Amino acid sequence: GAVVSQHPSRVICKSGTSVKIECRSLDFQATTMFWYRQFPKQSLMLMATSNEGSKATYEQGVEKDKFLINHASLTLSTLTVTSAHPEDSSFYICSARFDGEQYFGPGTRLTVT
Amino acid sequence: AQSVTQPDIHITVSEGASLELRCNYSYGATPYLFWYVQSPGQGLQLLLKYFSGDTLVQGIKGFEAEFKRSQSSFNLRKPSVHWSDAAEYFCAVGSNSGYALNFGKGTSLLVTP
Repeated sequence: GAVVSQHPSRVICKSGTSVKIECRSLDFQATTMFWYRQFPKQSLMLMATSNEGSKATYEQGVEKDKFLINHASLTLSTLTVTSAHPEDSSFYICSARFDGEQYFGPGTRLTVT
Repeated sequence: AQSVTQPDIHITVSEGASLELRCNYSYGATPYLFWYVQSPGQGLQLLLKYFSGDTLVQGIKGFEAEFKRSQSSFNLRKPSVHWSDAAEYFCAVGSNSGYALNFGKGTSLLVTP
């Protein structure tokens, strides 16, 4: 139980376009999900906390207009990278809170050309 | 503020040898401490966690970790490493279980024959 999925697993997009990443809790409901970003050979950095039915809380230095987060249901949070640039290329990982624990998705590799 | 330091960026051990990965944390209150493993291109898998109680924690895959408050450390150990243990290992600290985590930069483990 407590499985989190992400879609797509890999995506390549052109500079200036937008891309949406989905994070789903498959067998539980999650009122809170988290979005992390991981650069190559680096640690995971928390980008934002996503709460169902309310606005996301962004960490300092994360542009909320560039990284749009929507948590419209108890099983789905989406991260949209708007007007993507090559420096946005990264590994994006979501996690969901359930029963006092945090469960991580497998990640999405975004490459912006 | 929370912070996690993993002093070793890379560690190489021979298969069958023992392993210790270091983790030091900085946190004002009683920390929630975690060790995760990440295989290439994969999400995070929880190895073990410490909240309270016995300071020696047993995890999956034969790993254990010891919480030492006096040294602000939570080092990960395994008595005999297998080739399949080669991966990236992250130590993390949180204010509570299920809340956003602050990760260390990770230690890359290479296992030689």
